[in-house]
Amino acid sequence: QLQLQESGPGLVKPSETLSLTCTVSGGSISSATYYWGWIRQPPGKGPEWIGSFYYGGTTYYNLALKSRVTISIDTSKNQFALKLSSVTAADTAVYYCARHTPAGPNDFWGQGTLVTVSS
Amino acid sequence: QSALTQPPSASGSPGQSVTISCTGTSSDVGGYYYVSWYQQHPGKAPKLMIYEISQRPSGVPDRFSGSRSGNTASLTVSGLQAEDEADYYCSAYAGSKQFLVFGTGTKVTVL
Repeated sequence: QLQLQESGPGLVKPSETLSLTCTVSGGSISSATYYWGWIRQPPGKGPEWIGSFYYGGTTYYNLALKSRVTISIDTSKNQFALKLSSVTAADTAVYYCARHTPAGPNDFWGQGTLVTVSS
Repeated sequence: QSALTQPPSASGSPGQSVTISCTGTSSDVGGYYYVSWYQQHPGKAPKLMIYEISQRPSGVPDRFSGSRSGNTASLTVSGLQAEDEADYYCSAYAGSKQFLVFGTGTKVTVL
C-alpha cells in the first residue's frame, strides 16, 4: 500500500525558509504515471495547491507562490522536498504531500504536518 | 487563481439527502472533466470521494454521487449517516499553468 509521510520543523521564524521532506513507501516517485506534489491548508480554510512534479518532466508551481517555492527530488531515497522562502504568518498551515494523476485527483495523501510561522 | 465557491454549510437528518455546489469558471470546473470531491474529518487528511465529475474510487459508497452543469459541480450524499458529518472540498484542474484549484469548503452536519 502506498504511503506518504511528511517531516520537518514545526516552527519557522518569519523571513526564514520553510523546508519539508516527503518520504514515499510502497511506490516509486520515478514512475512517469503519477505526479507528486505539495498542498497546504491554513487553519479553518480550504486546501491550496503549492506545486507538483513528475519524474523526468516539468515541475509546476502555483503562480501566486512561484517566486518563493522550490520542489526537488531524491530518487535514491524515494523522497521529494519543499522549500518555501521568506515566510510570513500567512504561510502557517498544515502541509501535505500527495500523489495525483496528470490532471488530478489526489488519491493518496500524507497525514500532514503543521508548520507555524512565528518568532 | 481564485478558490472555487462552495456554501459554508449544509445539513440534513439521517436518511435524507444533501447536495453541495461548487462554482468555478470555464477555465476550471466548466473547462475539463477533472473535478474531484474530498471528505475531511477533523485532524485528518482529505479523502478522495469523487473524481472526473462523477466517478467513485473503490470503497466509496454509492450514496455519494457527483454531477456538473456548466461551471457548477455538485456532490450529493444520499441516505445521510452520522459518519458523513465532515468538511467537503471540491477541486478542479485549471490548465497546465495553474494545475489545481480547490473549493472554499462546506461543513456538512447530520442533525
